[in-house]
Amino acid sequence: EDQVTQSPEALRLQEGESSSLNCSYTVSGLRGLFWYRQDPGKGPEFLFTLYSAGEEKEKERLKATLTKKESFLHITAPKPEDSATYLCAVQTWGSGNTGKLIFGQGTTLQVKP
Amino acid sequence: DVKVTQSSRYLVKRTGEKVFLECVQDMDHENMFWYRQDPGLGLRLIYFSYDVKMKEKGDIPEGYSVSREKKERFSLILESASTNQTSMYLCASSLPGTTDTQYFGPGTRLTVL
Repeated sequence: EDQVTQSPEALRLQEGESSSLNCSYTVSGLRGLFWYRQDPGKGPEFLFTLYSAGEEKEKERLKATLTKKESFLHITAPKPEDSATYLCAVQTWGSGNTGKLIFGQGTTLQVKP
Repeated sequence: DVKVTQSSRYLVKRTGEKVFLECVQDMDHENMFWYRQDPGLGLRLIYFSYDVKMKEKGDIPEGYSVSREKKERFSLILESASTNQTSMYLCASSLPGTTDTQYFGPGTRLTVL
């Protein structure tokens, strides 16, 4: 069964304290891996898509990387405004053109000033 | 920019009422999705549609139906609302192809009393 697991469930950082969020996946054939940011009471906001092992993408203080088994979202020198829940999702080749994604449970990040 | 809008941010209904949640996207996307999000359970797919008048059940379709009469509009219907359908409902759309990125609306917080 295709599965996506995110860890940790919650993470508290001091402002400026860099860290990483993990997304491990067990799927039949990875077509793409997506990272989203979700603020409380709002819809998820798209951050990155990664397609193949070794690929990296960056946006401001965030950097996403992908291996054959997992993805990391690295947060460098975070600020309080980076506090949010970060969701990971995968799409498999078995989903065809439906665009279906399998979501992880999310990591809730709190950055204290 | 892709824009996905949902008809209400907050909705309060009574048990047994028929409830309509509407979603509109402005990017000519073929695929549209309805999710519900509950604490500890993550995002769960209710229904999706890959073309006008086409629909497929997701992981938790019981108690829900959908309608897609026009490409830009995807409606979620609760035939007879129950208290266990109190949740955050999220709509998303995507364009099938290389990216398949899902773009989400702001969400509707539904409370069934």
